[in-house]
Amino acid sequence: QVQLVQSGAEVKEPGSSVKVSCKASGGTFNSYSVSWVRQAPGQGLEWMGGIIPAFGTSEYAQKFQGRVTITTDESASTAYLELTSLRSDDTAVYYCATGEYLVMGCWFDPWGQGTQVTVSS
Amino acid sequence: ETVMTQSPATLSVSPGERATLSCRASQSVSNNLAWYQQKPGQAPRLLIYGASTRASGIPARFSGSGSGTEFTLTISSLQSEDFAVYYCQQYNYWPPLTFGGGTKVEIK
Repeated sequence: QVQLVQSGAEVKEPGSSVKVSCKASGGTFNSYSVSWVRQAPGQGLEWMGGIIPAFGTSEYAQKFQGRVTITTDESASTAYLELTSLRSDDTAVYYCATGEYLVMGCWFDPWGQGTQVTVSS
Repeated sequence: ETVMTQSPATLSVSPGERATLSCRASQSVSNNLAWYQQKPGQAPRLLIYGASTRASGIPARFSGSGSGTEFTLTISSLQSEDFAVYYCQQYNYWPPLTFGGGTKVEIK
């Protein structure tokens, strides 16, 4: 089974942007969907959006519309999450996770190890 | 958006006992529901999808049931490695895909 390996921790200032990567190790995303889920300190899980690389189509939670962009580079088997206009409440662990074949509305398996993003001045 | 509500927030159980966790959806999600386990400092792990189908490698002591708006995750005999936080997630109505707030299963 493919493993997802995410980029390292980031510390960003308020108002800046962050781009987190998620590489499929031992395989590719193929036609599986990729979603991003975040978890603020001591809180639950929050879906931010996803993409189906085969179609290049993405969907985002309304809460993040205009601030989030999810892309993939299939040649590098890597997905990216870019979040702009960062605020302190964006401090969280960000996870990538794969879904099902050509379906974004689905369960997630496997997950990446998570990337800590800290927003602080 | 479909709101998922889990109860209780914390469940205290002795090793070897049965644990029953509940998840309620604000509208019917059919059987489009998954359960995850998360341990401190780790990513969530898929346990159940389709409300009742165990994911690959998940022990038989984990079982899921329910449909519509009411769902249950049962751990038949708690092992030490099962103490964790459990989340439900619906994938019937999206975007957004939504998770419950979690149930922490702790040692009694």
